Amino acid sequence: DTAVSQTPKYLVTQMGNDKSIKCEQNLGHDTMYWYKQDSKKFLKIMFSYNNKELIINETVPNRFSPKSPDKAHLNLHINSLELGDSAVYFCASSQVRGLAGETQYFGPGTRLLVL
Amino acid sequence: GEDVEQSLFLSVREGDSSVINCTYTDSSSTYLYWYKQEPGAGLQLLTYIFSNMDMKQDQRLTVLLNKKDKHLSLRIADTQTGDSAIYFCAVPWAGSYQLTFGKGTKLSVIP
Repeated sequence: DTAVSQTPKYLVTQMGNDKSIKCEQNLGHDTMYWYKQDSKKFLKIMFSYNNKELIINETVPNRFSPKSPDKAHLNLHINSLELGDSAVYFCASSQVRGLAGETQYFGPGTRLLVL
Repeated sequence: GEDVEQSLFLSVREGDSSVINCTYTDSSSTYLYWYKQEPGAGLQLLTYIFSNMDMKQDQRLTVLLNKKDKHLSLRIADTQTGDSAIYFCAVPWAGSYQLTFGKGTKLSVIP
């Protein structure tokens, strides 16, 4: 009955490959997010998405693209992986329209290592 | 967007109180948040405070908000070794549902 789940938990891959990370939420939330946490534990938002708009952090390279097959899923696709992409990626979701609309619930994270 | 600042490290002895501070630049949001991240784990919503409150208490946790000074603090009473974690302050961008996180304060509890 996990609220926000991500797969895989660990991902080790070679530079130049293309990979995807999947995220699913069963909270009925309208908005989903992707965050990147670097080796210093600094957390930065990459994307926020609901069925009406995609907001992209302008610092995110266009090799990263979110894909949402439906309201409960927001997958992160990464092309041409680089060493600097190694980080922990967190998915989150929130019910924007609720009274505590901005409260975000996080997945367990995907640890990506690019060799 | 917001600029959210936190000190990076705090070390306390078991049984003492911990106070983690956070300052932010601008916010018209309704809620401000504290998240906890244990080693190797994801972020867990710890507590939040509604912006028209000065203080919120939840068992060992006390959140203080000074809107005039744009200062948020988290006090943990009787700190335990299990409280060792990174604590993130999070503030929504003005007029937005997106959160800006501080860099996190790593709390180390000395037995």
